[in-house]
Amino acid sequence: EIVMTQSPATLSVSPGERATLSCRASQSVSSNLAWYQQKPGQAPRLLIYGASTRATGIPARFSGSGSGTEFTLTISSLQSEDFAVYYCQQYNNWPPRTFGPGTKVDIK
Amino acid sequence: QVQLQESGPGLVKPSQTLSLTCTVSGGSISSGGYYWSWIRQHPGKGLEWIGYMYYSGSTYYNPSLKSRVTISVDTSKNQFSLKLSSVTAADTAVYYCARDTGGPGDCWGQGTLVTVSS
Repeated sequence: EIVMTQSPATLSVSPGERATLSCRASQSVSSNLAWYQQKPGQAPRLLIYGASTRATGIPARFSGSGSGTEFTLTISSLQSEDFAVYYCQQYNNWPPRTFGPGTKVDIK
Repeated sequence: QVQLQESGPGLVKPSQTLSLTCTVSGGSISSGGYYWSWIRQHPGKGLEWIGYMYYSGSTYYNPSLKSRVTISVDTSKNQFSLKLSSVTAADTAVYYCARDTGGPGDCWGQGTLVTVSS
């Protein structure tokens, strides 16, 4: 099973600032990596798939990069609605399709 | 726009079988190209992929749950279902159904909390 790790666990950012979230896989997942956003009481929402492709309707301030074992989600200028928990998920080697533990982005 | 909605008991007794159904609207489960998944989230914790099925009947399960999980589809009702047997308190979680495009889940239900308690 591929183990996904995310850092930091919590990221405190001021509105308008840039946020950089990291995700690492225990072995290569090529570009088969997705990012999700989850707000309290809501289901996760797909942001990025294929490591760098934005899902339908996702604002351009969200961008993904990386391949192999190291990935990054960047939010270029944080808006109030972006404060949430972000998960990465690999879908290269399955079952199972594994998720990272999440990074909480909160207001500084 | 495809929408998914979970339904089922919110309380299950230990050792019994958890049964949930996901109703898909706005699209057909039988249309192909998608995998129909179950994911769960323990209270205050991260996400755990349970498994999925293709409309043709092929299923893939998380090895950690495989002995207790069954996912099935009822194309006539445009629904798919999850059964998890021999539940314990460790199975208390919010259960989500989702449409999987062969990797990422692009459409999720709102989730349903299932508590295992006597």
